[in-house]
Amino acid sequence: DIQMTQSPASLSASLGETVTIECRASEDIYSNLAWYQQKPGNSPQLLIYDANSLADGVPSRFSGSGSGTQYSLKINSLQSEDVASYFCQQYNNYPTFGAGTKLELK
Amino acid sequence: EVQLVESGGGLVQPGRSMKLSCAASGFTFNNYDMAWVCQAPKKGLEWVATISYDGSSTYYRDSVKGRFTISRDNAKSTLYLQMDSLRSEDTATYYCARDAGGFAYWGQGTLVTVSS
Repeated sequence: DIQMTQSPASLSASLGETVTIECRASEDIYSNLAWYQQKPGNSPQLLIYDANSLADGVPSRFSGSGSGTQYSLKINSLQSEDVASYFCQQYNNYPTFGAGTKLELK
Repeated sequence: EVQLVESGGGLVQPGRSMKLSCAASGFTFNNYDMAWVCQAPKKGLEWVATISYDGSSTYYRDSVKGRFTISRDNAKSTLYLQMDSLRSEDTATYYCARDAGGFAYWGQGTLVTVSS
């Protein structure tokens, strides 16, 4: 199985700040990577696919980048509604997820 | 509008069976691979199984191979997960999801609790 190491596990940031979450794969996943947002009590929502493509309806303050084994999700100008957990997922092989990042407001 | 609605969860004793269903609407069901993804309480996400658009191919995570069976009825636009020999570690919310690389659409989930 491809292991996904996500960091940080938790993050505290202020409104308007830019935050970055990272994921490292145990082998090259050729940009077959997605990012999800999950708010408490809700299902995950796709934010980014193919490492850098924005899913339908997702605000442009979210962006993804990376290649090979290293990927990141950036949130520009943090809004209160962005408080959530974020997960990366590779689909180059059987799907595996990162352990998640819990984002809170400072 | 794409909708995925799971049902069939609840409390079940260890070693017993349970069958989950996922009713799909708002898209051409038989054009898409479908998957089950689970999330243990307060934990992360784990892929469980995927079935190809026509049902000809199935894939499972190692911990459920031989115990869980994913299937679909394209005439009814419904996805299933038959879970046998359930263990306490199978306790989780189970989501069905449309599998196209990333999981673009998810159901609301159904909670399965395995406990005596």
